Amino acid sequence: KNQVEQSPQSLIILEGKNCTLQCNYTVSPFSNLRWYKQDTGRGPVSLTIMTFSENTKSNGRYTATLDADTKQSSLHITASQLSDSASYICVVSAYNAGNMLTFGGGTRLMVKP
Amino acid sequence: NAGVMQNPRHLVRRRGQEARLRCSPMKGHSHVYWYRQLPEEGLKFMVYLQKENIIDESGMPKERFSAEFPKEGPSILRIQQVVRGDSAAYFCASSPGQPTSGNTIYFGEGSWLTVV
Repeated sequence: KNQVEQSPQSLIILEGKNCTLQCNYTVSPFSNLRWYKQDTGRGPVSLTIMTFSENTKSNGRYTATLDADTKQSSLHITASQLSDSASYICVVSAYNAGNMLTFGGGTRLMVKP
Repeated sequence: NAGVMQNPRHLVRRRGQEARLRCSPMKGHSHVYWYRQLPEEGLKFMVYLQKENIIDESGMPKERFSAEFPKEGPSILRIQQVVRGDSAAYFCASSPGQPTSGNTIYFGEGSWLTVV
């Protein structure tokens, strides 16, 4: 069964600090991995997409890594800002028929001044 | 270039009524997905459609829920005889191709259904 597990479930950090969110998956056969940011009451917004051959991708202060061998990904946020407070969702796509997307439960990040 | 448009943003229905949620994908996108999100929970897949075809409805409840994406017009998620447990945010997303092609999947801002 395809699964995506994220940790921690929630995280509180001080403004200006860095943090790293984790995503482990058992989705197979793997196609790509996406990170989304979802603000409270809003729709998810895409941060990065990585395929099997990519092991790092950046989008501003967000840097995602992918280790396809260990089936792990991380999202690193540098110099956090109050606006980074949101849920971060890891989504893995598989080469199967049908939906092909498996969502993690998300990490809820709170950045405090 | 408008994003994924969902309406209504907020909908209140009494138990037993019908709820109809609409989603206009981004221009040029022929793949539409519907997700449900309960308060404090993650997104749960409901259905994946292409124009005039249901590709995967494995996440749809067997009864009362249906979805369509006609040749012309928006995708519609229909919930008949709503119950309190249907209260949730319903998100639509679209992409120009299959997720396995690495296409960005864009989400709408959601439709919040409240059943009273």
